[in-house]
Amino acid sequence: DSGVTQTPKHLITATGQRVTLRCSPRSGDLSVYWYQQSLDQGLQFLIHYYNGEERAKGNILERFSAQQFPDLHSELNLSSLELGDSALYFCASSIQAGAPTDTQYFGPGTRLTVL
Amino acid sequence: DAKTTQPPSMDCAEGRAANLPCNHSTISGNEYVYWYRQIHSQGPQYIIHGLKNNETNEMASLIITEDRKSSTLILPHATLRDTAVYYCIVRVFIFRSNSNSGYALNFGKGTSLLVTP
Repeated sequence: DSGVTQTPKHLITATGQRVTLRCSPRSGDLSVYWYQQSLDQGLQFLIHYYNGEERAKGNILERFSAQQFPDLHSELNLSSLELGDSALYFCASSIQAGAPTDTQYFGPGTRLTVL
Repeated sequence: DAKTTQPPSMDCAEGRAANLPCNHSTISGNEYVYWYRQIHSQGPQYIIHGLKNNETNEMASLIITEDRKSSTLILPHATLRDTAVYYCIVRVFIFRSNSNSGYALNFGKGTSLLVTP
């Protein structure tokens, strides 16, 4: 158990819909990262927040957005869902914002299925 | 940004040492090498990281060559529960502005390790 929690574990929805995935970091961690894992793309970095501020972006679609709240939990919002958005979505957390030994710890993931 | 190269798959007998190689020939002097593993579809699990000295923890040992162009992850006594995809990673630095920058883990395809009875 990494200490990172994600809800829900599974989510099934239809194309065109909007969903919100939630992540709670380990106690004391200020950074939250979101990754997407699909069958054909592997694990891809989406976005990084540190203490409520966006710090880095990967190849995140404009239909996707995220935020980190004052209590440090984070939400990933996916809108206008397409079949290709079906994937595992992982959240990770770390203490800082990128010191050389700032290790990321991953949650169990949310499996999104778009029908 | 440093990239890593790993063999796509390896087998190991239970109880034997599993040695997983990784090439990172373009790594820069201050970049750490990280190893994670992913068992089935679970969240990636941190194993170990190192800069230039060999490292050991309760899960594994990490041997980094003197020129830092390659490393080997060693699982000293592999068990069936060690069957997983192992990722060797050098973090990617993402710069946006003087006040906004961060790191991402570039996972690549990893090595699928199968531990057999």
